[in-house]
Amino acid sequence: DSGVTQTPKHLITATGQRVTLRCSPRSGDLSVYWYQQSLDQGLQFLIQYYNGEERAKGNILERFSAQQFPDLHSELNLSSLELGDSALYFCASSQRSNTGELFFGEGSRLTVL
Amino acid sequence: GENVEQHPSTLSVQEGDSAVIKCTYSDSASNYFPWYKQELGKRPQLIIDIRSNVGEKKDQRIAVTLNKTAKHFSLHITETQPEDSAVYFCAASDPWGTGNQFYFGTGTSLTVIP
Repeated sequence: DSGVTQTPKHLITATGQRVTLRCSPRSGDLSVYWYQQSLDQGLQFLIQYYNGEERAKGNILERFSAQQFPDLHSELNLSSLELGDSALYFCASSQRSNTGELFFGEGSRLTVL
Repeated sequence: GENVEQHPSTLSVQEGDSAVIKCTYSDSASNYFPWYKQELGKRPQLIIDIRSNVGEKKDQRIAVTLNKTAKHFSLHITETQPEDSAVYFCAASDPWGTGNQFYFGTGTSLTVIP
């Protein structure tokens, strides 16, 4: 158990819909990262937050948005869903002042039909 | 931003043989290089990491080497076992910098044949 909690574990929805993925980082971790992993693909960096503020943006689509709340949990919002958005979405957290290691959650598997 | 390239994309070895996976990075500011193992259907987990002030690090059957001048680093697995079969990702980062971004390679699917 990494200490990073992601919900829901599985989500099936239709094209055009909107979903929200939630992540609770490890206790004490200030940084939250979101990654997208499509079938047989690598880990595509989407966005990173540090202590409530956006720190870095990767290949995140305009239809996607995220935020980190004062209690440090984060949400990734995916809207106007397309078939190609079907993927495993990982959240990871780290404590900047520590080793730099990323701790991944179990992921949220999104299927868009 | 950083660009991490990883080779090979797939690798098959006989049990007991060694496996080597290589990565290159582009940003000289990167100073932390972790390797993650992802078993089928599971989350990536850190297996070993190296910082830029170290040239080599070992942990039992796995080792990582870093060549800062050439901007490449490698994972070495000796005496491979079937449970080593997984996808391995390298990454480059500057965790103590302002960006604190982790850029991952495209992954290497390792199959250890019993």
